[in-house]
Amino acid sequence: NAGVMQNPRHLVRRRGQEARLRCSPMKGHSHVYWYRQLPEEGLKFMVYLQKENIIDESGMPKERFSAEFPKEGPSILRIQQVVRGDSAAYFCASSMRQGYTEAFFGQGTRLTVV
Amino acid sequence: AQSVAQPEDQVNVAEGNPLTVKCTYSVSGNPYLFWYVQYPNRGLQFLLKYITGDNLVKGSYGFEAEFNKSQTSFHLKKPSALVSDSALYFCAVREIKAAGNKLTFGGGTRVLVKP
Repeated sequence: NAGVMQNPRHLVRRRGQEARLRCSPMKGHSHVYWYRQLPEEGLKFMVYLQKENIIDESGMPKERFSAEFPKEGPSILRIQQVVRGDSAAYFCASSMRQGYTEAFFGQGTRLTVV
Repeated sequence: AQSVAQPEDQVNVAEGNPLTVKCTYSVSGNPYLFWYVQYPNRGLQFLLKYITGDNLVKGSYGFEAEFNKSQTSFHLKKPSALVSDSALYFCAVREIKAAGNKLTFGGGTRVLVKP
């Protein structure tokens, strides 16, 4: 039973380019969460999605960031026109359902903007 | 709004000694509480959770945590630390009535276990 799979593990982008981060949740999980971790900081919630729906995007920057979780395929976090401040580790987590079940995390994508 | 505080940036302990990592939380209702561990360049691994019931929760790798409602704390403990326990530890809280598993994390505590 594969865990949460994120790719790529490392991504380097020049300022102004687009970054696409992918997350495949654990089998049977229909809830996906994205978090951002800046160096030496804790994780900050960005967005919560279920299949084809954004449930909570209160942590997403208003511009340049978007997320989707289509009916088929992985969840995508998209960052347009990246800036140096976007450099961070982006973690995806998934859970089976609402309620108290813990979320399982992927190994993250480390984005470096040069 | 919910919040989590981990007052210590780093905890140093000798191998074989007890380890405690502190966490306090703030939520408007009843909390779900979690501890995760992060090894270098890895994702977060789940250690344990408190939902309801016994205040002392036992988790993976010999860790346990004690929920104290009056002190709004959820300290992580291990009776005898190992060098391999050196990692970054995160406490997280989720408000019971909140939708999904949106977690609020503390800033993390780095644990260094010296041989």
